Amino acid sequence: DTGVSQDPRHKITKRGQNVTFRCDPISEHNRLYWYRQTLGQGPEFLTYFQNEAQLEKSRLLSDRFSAERPKGSFSTLEIQRTEQGDSAMYLCASSSPGQVAKNIQYFGAGTRLSVL
Amino acid sequence: GENVEQHPSTLSVQEGDSAVIKCTYSDSASNYFPWYKQELGKGPQLIIDIRSNVGEKKDQRIAVTLNKTAKHFSLHITETQPEDSAVYFCAAPPRGLTGGGNKLTFGTGTQLKVEL
Repeated sequence: DTGVSQDPRHKITKRGQNVTFRCDPISEHNRLYWYRQTLGQGPEFLTYFQNEAQLEKSRLLSDRFSAERPKGSFSTLEIQRTEQGDSAMYLCASSSPGQVAKNIQYFGAGTRLSVL
Repeated sequence: GENVEQHPSTLSVQEGDSAVIKCTYSDSASNYFPWYKQELGKGPQLIIDIRSNVGEKKDQRIAVTLNKTAKHFSLHITETQPEDSAVYFCAAPPRGLTGGGNKLTFGTGTQLKVEL
């Protein structure tokens, strides 16, 4: 158990609906990352936070996606007006200051989104 | 940006045999190379990593080798066991990062099956 917690584990929604996922990183990890993984592919970077600041966003993160980390602890990823192409596993990872140089990222189990 | 290529996509070995998975990367500034194991329904778990100032690193049955000149690195698993069956991903951090966030670019994964 890596200690990164994601909720929910599974989400089924209809096209056009909004969904929100939550990630709780390992305690005191100041960096938090969101990745997306589709079937048969490796995780793809979406965005990352250092404390509460969102420092980088991928071009994969369209205007329908927004991520927040208001208090520098847990983070939420919201997808508005979901499309079938949004169906994927959404993974969260965190890393600690002492391990930045090695970039040891610990992943959660992910939230699997299915858009019908 | 970084491009990471991984092969083979599937690998089947007999229990007790060795398995080798290879990756190449494009960004010569990359200096950290982790390998992750992902079991069904779980997030990726770090199994071994190597920094660019080292050519080889070993941890029990698992080893990673790095050739910086050729920009490739490999995962070696010896005396394979059924519980080694999983998808393995290599990764590398690209340069040009805002705030040194060290996002990871992943390979496309190798499905390893260890047969009895």
